Amino acid sequence: NAGVMQNPRHLVRRRGQEARLRCSPMKGHSHVYWYRQLPEEGLKFMVYLQKENIIDESGMPKERFSAEFPKEGPSILRIQQVVRGDSAAYFCASSSRDRDEKLFFGSGTQLSVL
Amino acid sequence: QKEVEQNSGPLSVPEGAIASLNCTYSDRGSQSFFWYRQYSGKSPELIMFIYSNGDKEDGRFTAQLNKASQYVSLLIRDSQPSDSATYLCAVSAGGTSYGKLTFGQGTILTVHP
Repeated sequence: NAGVMQNPRHLVRRRGQEARLRCSPMKGHSHVYWYRQLPEEGLKFMVYLQKENIIDESGMPKERFSAEFPKEGPSILRIQQVVRGDSAAYFCASSSRDRDEKLFFGSGTQLSVL
Repeated sequence: QKEVEQNSGPLSVPEGAIASLNCTYSDRGSQSFFWYRQYSGKSPELIMFIYSNGDKEDGRFTAQLNKASQYVSLLIRDSQPSDSATYLCAVSAGGTSYGKLTFGQGTILTVHP
């Protein structure tokens, strides 16, 4: 009974490189959320996606960040031209249906920008 | 003003005692309230959710909600060392914002033998 799967677990990038974070929701879940946890800060909402649709991206930085959840395959959070301030833990969560706010989180990707 | 505020702690209680964790929120339109537990270096784990005023009990955990006071709390009875973790309060406005949770900073709880 696999939970929310995220990979990689740790990702190291140099400034200016691209980071791609992957998330496969729990079986039967079609709603995916990305959250970011900066050092010494709480979890912050970034984006909410359903298959092939971005429902709410109000928490996404305006530049360099994008997310997708294609019809087939995992959800991808993409960060272009990373900067040191992007270093954080990125968590993906999923839920089973509309209006179900009980989110189940993956183990996260720790992004370190050198 | 922070949208969701928690006692930053750390909160230290002896084994077997009741741990009380508090959370206030600023958005009166908030509809759903959650408590997550996060062990160091791990992902948040949902332990309680509450939607209506009053108390909700699940095993050793009791969530209390008072919408008039914009206050939600978590009580942990018979605390165990394994309960030592950071507890995150999360609030949702519902409506078009389903799943868009606003988290507090977390309260670090230590249960000592």
